[in-house]
Amino acid sequence: EIVLTQSPGTLSLSPGEGATLSCRASQSVNYNFLAWYQQKPGQAPRLLLYGASRRASGIPDRFSGSGSGTEFALTISSLDPEDFAVYYCHHLVDSPSFGQGTKVELK
Amino acid sequence: QVQLQESGPGLVKPSGTLSLTCTVSRGTISSTNWWSWVRQSPGQGLEWIGEISHNGITRYNSSLRSRVSISVEKAKNFFSLTLNSVTAADTAVYFCARVYTSSWYRYLDYWGPGTMVTVSS
Repeated sequence: EIVLTQSPGTLSLSPGEGATLSCRASQSVNYNFLAWYQQKPGQAPRLLLYGASRRASGIPDRFSGSGSGTEFALTISSLDPEDFAVYYCHHLVDSPSFGQGTKVELK
Repeated sequence: QVQLQESGPGLVKPSGTLSLTCTVSRGTISSTNWWSWVRQSPGQGLEWIGEISHNGITRYNSSLRSRVSISVEKAKNFFSLTLNSVTAADTAVYFCARVYTSSWYRYLDYWGPGTMVTVSS
């Protein structure tokens, strides 16, 4: 079973700052099956990126993804007030699992 | 665009059975896509429960495999989750989602709003 570990647990930032969220897999993951989601309180998760780096429909270009193998990252170039949320990475092959999440909070 | 809606009892007794249905609208369940259940305990992260294809092939989280079953009803365009022998640890918001599946990618693109299920006597 592949375990996804996200870091840091919490990022305290101000609007306009950049953010880099990490997702590390316990073994190599096919990047085509690595996705990122954003979740706000009381809402269902929202797909941000799939295939590690491809933006889903309607996702602003300040969101970008990178990585392969066991190391993946989600970057937000300049935080908008609506970006403060929890972010999860997820792989969807073999034994699918989610990372434990990174909370991006207002500093 | 595709819409999903979970439904089922909000309260289940310990040792009982949790049963939820996810109705798919504005799309067909009989496609190459798969259909998934995900849950989130209060204040916790997301946990993948399992998934099913349109023709009934299933995959489950190994930690739940002995208690979980997912089925699909193509004629009525819904799929279901059954979880047996529930305890307080199964208290969570349960989400259903579509697993977009192609030769190149898999991802959860459409989600239901979620339904809270509490296990309590």
